[in-house]
Amino acid sequence: DQQVKQNSPSLSVQEGRISILNCDYTNSMFDYFLWYKKYPAEGPTFLISISSIKDKNEDGRFTVFLNKSAKHLSLHIVPSQPGDSAVYFCAASALNAGGTSYGKLTFGQGTILTVHP
Amino acid sequence: ETGVTQTPRHLVMGMTNKKSLKCEQHLGHNAMYWYKQSAKKPLELMFVYSLEERVENNSVPSRFSPECPNSSHLFLHLHTLQPEDSALYLCASSQDYRDRGHEQYFGPGTRLTVT
Repeated sequence: DQQVKQNSPSLSVQEGRISILNCDYTNSMFDYFLWYKKYPAEGPTFLISISSIKDKNEDGRFTVFLNKSAKHLSLHIVPSQPGDSAVYFCAASALNAGGTSYGKLTFGQGTILTVHP
Repeated sequence: ETGVTQTPRHLVMGMTNKKSLKCEQHLGHNAMYWYKQSAKKPLELMFVYSLEERVENNSVPSRFSPECPNSSHLFLHLHTLQPEDSALYLCASSQDYRDRGHEQYFGPGTRLTVT
């Protein structure tokens, strides 16, 4: 049973427009969320994160929104650039009973973003 | 070398072979991780090591045997694998596995094919 889902396998956007990548989760214990970006033949690289005590976190062109009641988060990229074309992974973690997460990230399947010039 | 490196980048092995995947991090981190990404599936955490001690084994079959001789190196020893074990194996490191504010840095992965 997948606890983190990215229901859109792919997204195509024109350069300069907004890209919106979506992620849904089912585990209510998740309280920390991350987005990673992956280029072909490279490992994922960290992009931005958000704690459940916030509903928005912004870093330059990237903004992550968290809707806890809907168990939904989204990544907005504005303006989109051709270099943003990559696979984007949503990930989540939860504290265990001992108060640690052991770095255990649960990932979604990824969304392929293509930004056309 | 910088970041997290993995060797080999590609590996083809038979079901009776024994092979090892190597990961090295040059970031001075204390935690290292093995992930598996099968076709059309999300990344799945396999093992977590902190200061050479295994702190998490995510129900991984014993045909996968990790080894962490020091905080910079991580191995994944493979023996009697099955074709369904074919996947991309990713190594990652972070400063401290207990602090979620420290993101994980990933290597490029080893593409494993079991024939």
